[in-house]
Amino acid sequence: DIQMTQSPSSLSASVGDRVTITCRTSQGINNYLAWYQQKPGKVPKLLIYSASSLQSGVPSRFSGSGSGTDFTLTISSLQPEDVATYYCQKYDSALQTFGQGTKVDIK
Amino acid sequence: QVQLVQSGSELKKPGASVKVSCKASGYTFTDYTLNWVRQAPGQGLEWMGWINTRSGNRMYAQVFRGRFVFSLDTSVTTAYLQISSLQAEDTAVYYCARQSGYGLDYWGQGTLVTVSS
Repeated sequence: DIQMTQSPSSLSASVGDRVTITCRTSQGINNYLAWYQQKPGKVPKLLIYSASSLQSGVPSRFSGSGSGTDFTLTISSLQPEDVATYYCQKYDSALQTFGQGTKVDIK
Repeated sequence: QVQLVQSGSELKKPGASVKVSCKASGYTFTDYTLNWVRQAPGQGLEWMGWINTRSGNRMYAQVFRGRFVFSLDTSVTTAYLQISSLQAEDTAVYYCARQSGYGLDYWGQGTLVTVSS
């Protein structure tokens, strides 16, 4: 099975900071990677699909990049409403997996 | 609009079974595969598997093979997750989510299953 490693597990940043979360897979996944945001007590929300495509309605400060085995979610200017846990997910095959999650809060 | 509405919270004793429903509306039910995702208290998202709503084919993550069964009733556009021989470790929120081919684009509100004696 393809392993996924998401880092860091948590981070604290100031409002306006640039935030980067990484997700690494043990094998190439042809960019079949999505990012989700889960605010406390809420349902997960799709942010990014196909590694870099922004889901409709998602603010443009969110972006995804990467290919092959290394992927990144970037928040260009952290806002208070971005406090959440972020997950990557691979969906390249019948067997899918989520990353371990990254908890983001405000310093 | 697309909606996935799940059944309400459940409190079960160890060894019992539970069936969680996921009612879809606002789109053609058989056009999209439905996934199930578990989230234990304070933990991350855990992908359980999917059911193809057109063919009925199922795929389960390794840890969910055996006591967990996905099923459908296409006449009422509803998917089900049945868990048998419940254990305390099954206490979690269970989500259904629609797979668009570009990730999981719509999610149910989640169903809390609590297993306690």
